[in-house]
Amino acid sequence: EVQLVQSGAEVKKPGESLKISCKGSGYSFTTNWIGWVRQMPGKGLEWMGIIFPSDSETRYSPSFQGQVTISADKSISTVYLQWSSLQASDTAMYYCAVPTGAPSWGQGTLVTVSS
Amino acid sequence: QSALTQPASVSGSPGQSITISCTGTSNDVGTYNLVSWYQQHPGKAPKLMIFDVSKRPSGVSNRFSGSKSGNTASLTISGLQAEDEAHYYCCSYAGSNWAFGGGTKLTVL
Repeated sequence: EVQLVQSGAEVKKPGESLKISCKGSGYSFTTNWIGWVRQMPGKGLEWMGIIFPSDSETRYSPSFQGQVTISADKSISTVYLQWSSLQASDTAMYYCAVPTGAPSWGQGTLVTVSS
Repeated sequence: QSALTQPASVSGSPGQSITISCTGTSNDVGTYNLVSWYQQHPGKAPKLMIFDVSKRPSGVSNRFSGSKSGNTASLTISGLQAEDEAHYYCCSYAGSNWAFGGGTKLTVL
């Protein structure tokens, strides 16, 4: 059974950096694309980007290019989503997801950015 | 603006059938049989209802079915129940990435 377990909720101030994680198990982590989805409060789902852990090829949706960094550590089957300088508008729920096969999602990580 | 177009809302009475459309282009829905549908209740994580256009995950009611014609995918819910009231999102592979529809609010009258 595919399991994606995400790191816990975060409360940060504007301008701070942040890296959240998602650990996969129960499937071949290195040979399946895995990505991140954003859901802002009261809004819909948005694909941020995806990474192929085997060679770290990464593809960003245009709205998120340059705004975040997606990376993976295949030695520990973990994918990351990173911000260098958070803004209040980054407040959202973030999900990791394997979009192929029978798609699987993590439980979500709530990121709150507030001064 | 979402890459895939869904109606903002649909409604139906208990026992009826409804269909939610998801319109893309030849760059996504029209070319790839990688369309999935998610149900989301308030405050909950999205739940996979349909994948690969028409496949149902284990545990999902057979009242839910998916199909595709040209650039439009559809989710049909038969025998509507009160618990079906939720937001529904379609998702499609788009050649180099993935895209969601804007979501449809289903109201069970």
